[in-house]
Amino acid sequence: AQSVTQLDSQVPVFEEAPVELRCNYSSSVSVYLFWYVQYPNQGLQLLLKYLSGSTLVKGINGFEAEFNKSQTSFHLRKPSVHISDTAEYFCAVRRNSGNTPLVFGKGTRLSVIA
Amino acid sequence: EAGVAQSPRYKIIEKRQSVAFWCNPISGHATLYWYQQILGQGPKLLIQFQNNGVVDDSQLPKDRFSAERLKGVDSTLKIQPAKLEDSAVYLCASTMDLRTDTQYFGPGTRLTVL
Repeated sequence: AQSVTQLDSQVPVFEEAPVELRCNYSSSVSVYLFWYVQYPNQGLQLLLKYLSGSTLVKGINGFEAEFNKSQTSFHLRKPSVHISDTAEYFCAVRRNSGNTPLVFGKGTRLSVIA
Repeated sequence: EAGVAQSPRYKIIEKRQSVAFWCNPISGHATLYWYQQILGQGPKLLIQFQNNGVVDDSQLPKDRFSAERLKGVDSTLKIQPAKLEDSAVYLCASTMDLRTDTQYFGPGTRLTVL
């Protein structure tokens, strides 16, 4: 089975500063990796995903993530955050074959301070 | 393109009452998911449909939860009777491409059981 650990439950950061949200996963098989964002009172929206190929993945809103197989990590980064990036961020994993469900981490609350 | 629609957005009931949630996925999306998101946690899959057939309901508490997807389009999730621990946001998601699994989420139904 797969599992996801998001190491920080809350991350406060000043506007225009860089941010990294950490995600580690556990799996005995190859996986697909995802980052979703959830704004208040809304559903989840896909930021980016890693399926195969280049380990550096670029997503929407200036976010990017790097797949590191040896470290079993998929950390999310943004070089300069905006107030509008304040939201809950979820890392998710599923095995890359068969029909298996997405497994989500507990989420990281990013708070951007003006 | 219209997104995933869910209703109601909010519901407050007393324990032992029944409740039903409705989801209309994106047109043409064959796969539909129901997730439960308890406060402070990531979404947890309850049930997955492929067209009108159940693919995975291993985490659905079948003694009180039921779901159906008649005609392979809309879906209804029911809880009968509700317990206090069922208080959560119930998210519906759909996808066209099961393999790459880009899921599109609705805004959710926030259930409070008193």
